[in-house]
Amino acid sequence: DVKVTQSSRYLVKRTGEKVFLECVQDMDHENMFWYRQDPGLGLRLIYFSYDVKMKEKGDIPEGYSVSREKKERFSLILESASTNQTSMYLCASKLTARGANVLTFGAGSRLTVL
Amino acid sequence: RKEVEQDPGPFNVPEGATVAFNCTYSNSASQSFFWYRQDCRKEPKLLMSVYSSGNEDGRFTAQLNRASQYISLLIRDSKLSDSATYLCVVIGYSSASKIIFGSGTRLSIRP
Repeated sequence: DVKVTQSSRYLVKRTGEKVFLECVQDMDHENMFWYRQDPGLGLRLIYFSYDVKMKEKGDIPEGYSVSREKKERFSLILESASTNQTSMYLCASKLTARGANVLTFGAGSRLTVL
Repeated sequence: RKEVEQDPGPFNVPEGATVAFNCTYSNSASQSFFWYRQDCRKEPKLLMSVYSSGNEDGRFTAQLNRASQYISLLIRDSKLSDSATYLCVVIGYSSASKIIFGSGTRLSIRP
């Protein structure tokens, strides 16, 4: 089974702090994704990457950046955290971009920004 | 119109009941369809893929209706452990296709 590991399950940060969320997958998947999930808004795509050093903006990239230096690792960076970035962050990976192969999620990182 | 729409529920049904919910999608070129289950404060996990001919996995049956552009999930003989949010997921064919999530249908099974 594919394993997607997010390094931090719970974080509490202060406004203006830099935040790193790390995600590692162990099945050589090409595609990796960062979502945030908020009540009533569902899952929203922040950024995705289809290869090493490649990244694409999702639906809500503002206030975030990403890094993919190695195939197995996809990092989400909040340069200056704000209270409206309090959310559940979910990393996911997928073998290829095209349809039928499944998307596997990490356990999530719940971030609170004070 | 949202690309993928689901009734948010909540559906509150007694144990043993049969419950069904639908998910409609707007892009007729969509290629792959899935149902995910998400427990409270946990990550979504794949429940089942949805095939054109329909497919069954134990008490769960998934159907795809391309003409009307919806997928459905039927749960028979519901258990307390089926209480969760069910997300439909729609993916296009091309490499640039987005993965579109429904906002989820909340199901609560009561004793």
